[in-house]
Amino acid sequence: GQQVMQIPQYQHVQEGEDFTTYCNSSTTLSNIQWYKQRPGGHPVFLIQLVKSGEVKKQKRLTFQFGEAKKNSSLHITATQTTDVGTYFCAGGDSGGSNYKLTFGKGTLLTVNP
Amino acid sequence: KAGVTQTPRYLIKTRGQQVTLSCSPISGHRSVSWYQQTPGQGLQFLFEYFSETQRNKGNFPGRFSGRQFSNSRSEMNVSTLELGDSALYLCASSLGQGEDGYTFGSGTRLTVV
Repeated sequence: GQQVMQIPQYQHVQEGEDFTTYCNSSTTLSNIQWYKQRPGGHPVFLIQLVKSGEVKKQKRLTFQFGEAKKNSSLHITATQTTDVGTYFCAGGDSGGSNYKLTFGKGTLLTVNP
Repeated sequence: KAGVTQTPRYLIKTRGQQVTLSCSPISGHRSVSWYQQTPGQGLQFLFEYFSETQRNKGNFPGRFSGRQFSNSRSEMNVSTLELGDSALYLCASSLGQGEDGYTFGSGTRLTVV
């Protein structure tokens, strides 16, 4: 079945440094979604990418979808303490009769003030 | 507009017992998915319901079951609880098949002793 790998598992940065998490799928995806989960909270939907090579920005966050639609990245510029949390990618597959979403294991970001 | 509501928030059960968790999706959302979250395994998909029909199912034993009612509310049941079932159980709702992102509830923290 479809597998979504996410690296790194953990990342600790100094406030103001940049951060990137990478997501790779074993199969071609229909789309990719990104979620953020604050410590003690629940995942919150951030964005969805659908097109090959798509790039979307949300303030300091930049999301990219690979040309082959098998990988994606999330880059945060100049991290802040409010960025702390686990970032999950989730690969969508519309190939079968029903749409399926497979989550990566997430990257836990901690920020030292 | 109300979010996804999960009850109860916390549960402590004994091995061998059974438990029922409830999820009320966002009004108008017809799809409800259930996930198990543990520190080691991340977010693991249990099942998805749409218009009272199970549309997708993850790789969990038959002790895990669910259903959806005509008002889109969903319940999941775990029978013969094991220590390893201790986890955060998250419910997520979406309008259609989840292609536009899921809205998660705050989860039910189940502890099996």
